Amino acid sequence: GENVEQHPSTLSVQEGDSAVIKCTYSDSASNYFPWYKQELGKRPQLIIDIRSNVGEKKDQRIAVTLNKTAKHFSLHITETQPEDSAVYFCAASIGSGGYQKVTFGIGTKLQVIP
Amino acid sequence: DGGITQSPKYLFRKEGQNVTLSCEQNLNHDAMYWYRQDPGQGLRLIYYSQIVNDFQKGDIAEGYSVSREKKESFPLTVTSAQKNPTAFYLCATRGSSGANVLTFGAGSRLTVL
Repeated sequence: GENVEQHPSTLSVQEGDSAVIKCTYSDSASNYFPWYKQELGKRPQLIIDIRSNVGEKKDQRIAVTLNKTAKHFSLHITETQPEDSAVYFCAASIGSGGYQKVTFGIGTKLQVIP
Repeated sequence: DGGITQSPKYLFRKEGQNVTLSCEQNLNHDAMYWYRQDPGQGLRLIYYSQIVNDFQKGDIAEGYSVSREKKESFPLTVTSAQKNPTAFYLCATRGSSGANVLTFGAGSRLTVL
């Protein structure tokens, strides 16, 4: 089955600096790669996603890149702010017989230091 | 709850007891998922369902069971066979084909005493 590896597990940055979180996946048939943010005590929420036919996507301070050949994708947050502090999860989605199995990484706890 | 209601929010159970976690949605989404969240282990897939009366095992299905008798409901039973059931359980839904975004419920925290 699909295996998603995510690193680092924790990341501390100064406010205003950039943060990068990297993930790799094992199944080349995966075709959709979402990123979720989970603030303390809350449910995960989608922040950005990318499909396998796209190499890069940007939404204001957040961007995601995908390298299908190497089977890795990354989340980039620029000009970090204290409210960016949270746990971030990457995921890979693979479809079979009408089902979409979504496999998550272990998460990265991002701390933005004011 | 953004269209997904999980109950109870907190649950305590004694070893050897089965317990059922409820997940109800009014989003008219076809697919429903159960994940388990443990510190340092991310979200691990227990079961998922695309349509009524059909579901698939995820990566850690042992000791769990589900049913999908109605589109709106996907209850999860944690059986006494689950060796380490204390965890945070998240239910999620996914919209119609072509829309892959998961929407999560607020979760249920199960503690085995």
